[in-house]
Amino acid sequence: EAGVVQSPRYKIIEKKQPVAFWCNPISGHNTLYWYRQNLGQGPELLIRYENEEAVDDSQLPKDRFSAERLKGVDSTLKIQPAELGDSAVYLCASSRRTGGDGELFFGEGSRLTVL
Amino acid sequence: GESVGLHLPTLSVQEGDNSIINCAYSNSASDYFIWYKQESGKGPQFIIDIRSNMDKRQGQRVTVLLNKTVKHLSLQIAATQPGDSAVYFCAESLSGGYNKLIFGAGTRLAVHP
Repeated sequence: EAGVVQSPRYKIIEKKQPVAFWCNPISGHNTLYWYRQNLGQGPELLIRYENEEAVDDSQLPKDRFSAERLKGVDSTLKIQPAELGDSAVYLCASSRRTGGDGELFFGEGSRLTVL
Repeated sequence: GESVGLHLPTLSVQEGDNSIINCAYSNSASDYFIWYKQESGKGPQFIIDIRSNMDKRQGQRVTVLLNKTVKHLSLQIAATQPGDSAVYFCAESLSGGYNKLIFGAGTRLAVHP
């Protein structure tokens, strides 16, 4: 079974530029999570989807971050415009069940560097 | 591969020794705890979990201990192997599930031959 696939693996941009990350969850997984991991720290939840609905986006900085999960499968996380403090690894995870019940499987992450 | 973190606390052990990684969690109401392993350039990987109604749980070569009195969690790895070298995170949950995990800061385990 293929794991969670994320792209790009690495992205370097200048501040104020836009950037987008893509996630393909494990087939059949209904819940999708985006986490941000700053250097030397644990991941922090940005947004959680159950199917196509964003059920928890309370920690997503909505002034510059947006996300979508069309058709309840793939998801895109966008930052516009990027700031220096956005440099981090953006992790996508998925789980089979909804309601927070079900082990998380993480992708390898997309590492963003903002110059 | 890239480094997960450059200034994490590091535990150095000899191959074959037992390792103990500690974690202090923040919320006394947390009822579910998970240990994750993160290798360089990879996402976190589930190791073992424990619910708050237990104080010990064993897996294959790993044991998790929970002390709710002092809000402390530990991960014991028996007969540590080079492949165990990674950053280890504890995570706590208030919901009993995976809805909103709160991850700790992480500990780097370095296994020397």
